[in-house]
Amino acid sequence: DVVLTQTPPTSSATIGQSVSISCRSSQSLLDSDGNTYLYWYLQRPSQSPQLLIYLVSKLGSGVPNRFSGSGSGTDFTLKISGVEAEDLGVYYCVQGTHDPYTFGAGTKLELK
Amino acid sequence: EVKLQQSGDELVRPGASVKMSCKASGYTFTDYAMHWVKQSPGQGLEWIGTIIPLIDTTSYNQKFKGKATLTADKSSNTAYMELSRLTSEDSAVYYCARELTTEGMDAWGQGASVTVSS
Repeated sequence: DVVLTQTPPTSSATIGQSVSISCRSSQSLLDSDGNTYLYWYLQRPSQSPQLLIYLVSKLGSGVPNRFSGSGSGTDFTLKISGVEAEDLGVYYCVQGTHDPYTFGAGTKLELK
Repeated sequence: EVKLQQSGDELVRPGASVKMSCKASGYTFTDYAMHWVKQSPGQGLEWIGTIIPLIDTTSYNQKFKGKATLTADKSSNTAYMELSRLTSEDSAVYYCARELTTEGMDAWGQGASVTVSS
């Protein structure tokens, strides 16, 4: 199975600070159809995960544009430009290129 | 409003089976695939499998073959997952989540906790 390694495991930020989360894959996530099936989700405390980013860099419906995704191949980044209090929680990267879908271990975003 | 309403938490005996439901509303059920995801403290998030209700096709994570069975009832817009031969390793929160082709799981159920204990 594809292993997704997220760093850092925990990130502390102040409101308004920009943060980046890395997701590195054990295999290229570029599919033969030309798409890269890499997603980002946020799970707030005691809530279900919610979609932030799909296909590396496309913003999910209703997701604020302070979130952005980038990367290719095996290296991907989620950036939050100006953290807000509602952004706290655990961020997961997920790949759907290779069967089975796999999730990263998560990055917990805390308030400093 | 899109909603995925999951059935309630379950306490089940080891060796038993449990069947949980995920009732969809606010969208055309057959336009989307339905995923099932397991969240346990020791293992993080794991993809169990997917069902495409339109054509009743399923795809499973090899790890959950023989453990999970996914079905869907188009008449009631409800997806189901049955877990069999339960052990303590199956104690977790289980989520259903819809996906339109490749656009990610954009709506999730509230989760259903399964506790396996004698």
